[in-house]
Amino acid sequence: QKEVEQDPGPLSVPEGAIVSLNCTYSNSAFQYFMWYRQYSRKGPELLMYTYSSGNKEDGRFTAQVDKSSKYISLFIRDSQPSDSATYLCAMSNQGGKLIFGQGTELSVKP
Amino acid sequence: EAQVTQNPRYLITVTGKKLTVTCSQNMNHEYMSWYRQDPGLGLRQIYYSMNVEVTDKGDVPEGYKVSRKEKRNFPLILESPSPNQTSLYFCASSIRDSNTGELFFGEGSRLTVL
Repeated sequence: QKEVEQDPGPLSVPEGAIVSLNCTYSNSAFQYFMWYRQYSRKGPELLMYTYSSGNKEDGRFTAQVDKSSKYISLFIRDSQPSDSATYLCAMSNQGGKLIFGQGTELSVKP
Repeated sequence: EAQVTQNPRYLITVTGKKLTVTCSQNMNHEYMSWYRQDPGLGLRQIYYSMNVEVTDKGDVPEGYKVSRKEKRNFPLILESPSPNQTSLYFCASSIRDSNTGELFFGEGSRLTVL
């Protein structure tokens, strides 16, 4: 069983839709949770960062962490064609090891 | 401009021919790391370095070597490449570590081993 599981999609939604992206994990020691966005032929870039449980909002993006269920989510409101990318969850307990999910490919159609 | 630079960006080589992928960052970051990205498997960590002369294995270190002699450089060495090392490789750096610091990624190096 992978430490971090993420539905690879692809996910296709119309412009303006609410998008929900999710990851589950098995290691209860994870404390740091991140979402990265990767455009085609580019390196990933950090989108959201959360420590421990709770919610974090940044503009149209909301990250949620539920440590009791070992489940994290990223919500995108009013999705735009420019949001079309691969979204990767990532998590770590401490130090230098960072575990990524497989990535979900999102396409937002005008 | 703050950046992580990888070279080469594209490389086709043959089994057993040693190669080095260079990585350099100009942000005075302490932490650097190498990942490989394969379809269906996502990003997997190969090696990471918390500072100069300090390196540690990630999840898939077999067949790779690294060194961190200077803060800005973190080369990835494939002593005897094999076809299963055909992949897209990313170098990344962060001000302190991968948890609390934003990870900056290079543009990627696509390697094909025949």
